[in-house]
Amino acid sequence: DIQMTQSPSSLSASEGDRVTITCRASQSISRFLNWYQLKPGKAPKLLIYAASSLQSGVPSRFSGSGSGADFTLTISSLQPEDFATYYCQQSHSTPLTFGQGTKVEIK
Amino acid sequence: EVQLLESGGGLVQPGGSQRLSCAASGFTFSNYGLSWVRQAPGKGLEWVSSISGSGGSTYHGDSVKGRFTISRDNSKNTLYLQMNSLRAEDTAVYYCAKDRILFTGSPSTFDYWGQGILVTVSS
Repeated sequence: DIQMTQSPSSLSASEGDRVTITCRASQSISRFLNWYQLKPGKAPKLLIYAASSLQSGVPSRFSGSGSGADFTLTISSLQPEDFATYYCQQSHSTPLTFGQGTKVEIK
Repeated sequence: EVQLLESGGGLVQPGGSQRLSCAASGFTFSNYGLSWVRQAPGKGLEWVSSISGSGGSTYHGDSVKGRFTISRDNSKNTLYLQMNSLRAEDTAVYYCAKDRILFTGSPSTFDYWGQGILVTVSS
């Protein structure tokens, strides 16, 4: 199975800050990497697919980069609605696996 | 508008069974694979099971293999998860999720999710 490791597990940031979350796969997954946003009581939301493609309707302040085993999600200017937990997920092969999540909290 | 609505959750005793349903609308149901993903209390996301658009291919994670069965009824636009031999560690919010890609043979990327349904396994 491919293990996904995210860092940090949590972070505190202020509105307007630039935030970066990293995700590392235990083996090369090319660009088969997705990012999701979770908020309590709401449906999870796809932000980025194929490492760097922005899902329709997602604000452009979200961006993704990377290939192989190392990936990054960046929020260029944190907005109040961005306080949530973020997960990476590899779609290279089954079993599909997720990172352990990064909780973005208000500073 | 794509909508996925889970139902069938609740409290079940260890060793018991439960069937979850996910009613879908807003897309051509039989053209897309569907999956179940769960989140145990205080834990991260875990992929559970997936099924192709036709229903001809199914996939299960190791933690549920032999106990859970995913199926779909394309005439009713509904996805199911039959859960048998339930354990305390199956306690979680279960999400129904749709594949982003048309006619894909195996699960990949989830572009729409339901709001989830809680299953609690406890005596």
